[in-house]
Formats: sequence, C-alpha cells, structure tokens
Amino acid sequence: AQSVTQLGSHVSVSEGALVLLRCNYSSSVPPYLFWYVQYPNQGLQLLLKYTSAATLVKGINGFEAEFKKSETSFHLTKPSAHMSDAAEYFCAVISRDDKIIFGKGTRLHILP
Amino acid sequence: DTGVSQDPRHKITKRGQNVTFRCDPISEHNRLYWYRQTLGQGPEFLTYFQNEAQLEKSRLLSDRFSAERPKGSFSTLEIQRTEQGDSAMYLCASSSAGGKTDTQYFGPGTRLTVL
Repeated sequence: AQSVTQLGSHVSVSEGALVLLRCNYSSSVPPYLFWYVQYPNQGLQLLLKYTSAATLVKGINGFEAEFKKSETSFHLTKPSAHMSDAAEYFCAVISRDDKIIFGKGTRLHILP
Repeated sequence: DTGVSQDPRHKITKRGQNVTFRCDPISEHNRLYWYRQTLGQGPEFLTYFQNEAQLEKSRLLSDRFSAERPKGSFSTLEIQRTEQGDSAMYLCASSSAGGKTDTQYFGPGTRLTVL
C-alpha cells in the first residue's frame, strides 16, 4: 500500500533562509506524488505534483521538489522563505485506486 | 471557473443532532471526493462519486454518514445522530476525470463542532 511520511510536524526558518520540508514515500508501484499547502481556515491548494516526467518539479510560489527514487524521497524546498509561506504543508501520494493519501503535515513557521 | 465551494463554512451542533453539508464542485468536473481532517492530521478519504454514482466508501464512513450527488453536480454529506468524535473539518474536492495525474481541487471545508 502507498503511504507518505513527513519528518517533523513543525519546522521554523528565518525569513530569507532556505525552506526544506521532508517527505518519504512507500509505494509498490511508480508513485505519483504531490505537495499541498493549507493556510489557516482554508482548503488545500496544490503546490506541485510529480507524474514520472522530470524528477525536479517546479511549483507555485517559488517552491520545488525533487523525486529521488534511490532515497524514496520527495522533499520540498524554497531558496528564500517569505513570511507569507507560513502555513501547513502536506505531502501526498496517489493510491492504486486514485485516492489521495496524505501525510500528517508539517507546519512551517517563519521567523522575522 | 469559481472553484469548489462548500456550505456552511462552520457548523456547531449538539450531540445527537443531524447535520448536512453541501459541496458545489467546479462545473463539468465528473469526480467529487469527500475527506475528513481532524486536528493535527492530514485529510482522510471518506467517499467519492463519478458523476452521480458513489463508487467507494471508506471504512471511516459509518452508517450514520450518507452522501449523495443526485444529478452529478453538487453533493451533500449528512451525518445523523452526531457524536463528539465527528468534530472535524470536512473537505470536498473535485477533478475532471479521475486518474492518477488528474489534479483534485479542494474547497475551503466545513468545520463541524459537536458539543
């Protein structure tokens, strides 16, 4: 069965610093992976998705993620954090029957 | 394209009451999904529709829960005899055709509080 594990329920970075949110997946078939962002009291917004094309995926708001099969990872990065990036981020994988399986989320805090 | 909308955004009810939520997907999207998100967790799949047909229900969906999509457009999720454990954010999502690469677009959610 497919699953994702997000390392760290809370991550704090200074404004302007590198953002790195970690996600490892488990899948018996080639995975389709996603990162979603959720701002307070809002639904989820798709940041980017990996669908077996390029391993480096660029998303919205300056985020990108790299699919590494050897490490079963799909970490999310952004070179320079902005205060508006403070939110909860969910890594997710598509199951065999097209349902999204989400990780538990990582709350990103931006320090001034 | 106005996005996925959900109504109400917040609902407070007393234990034992029935509640109904509505989701309006992006027009012409064939698939509609319901998820539940509890505090500190990611969303968990509840059920989904392909047009008006309900194709799958999670084991999380007890017999107190029922979902419909009568004309293949909007959907309702009803919870009967609510319990405190039902308190959560209920999220709706839609996609155009399903499939592993098809993007699911989420609504803002309905936050349910059962007292």
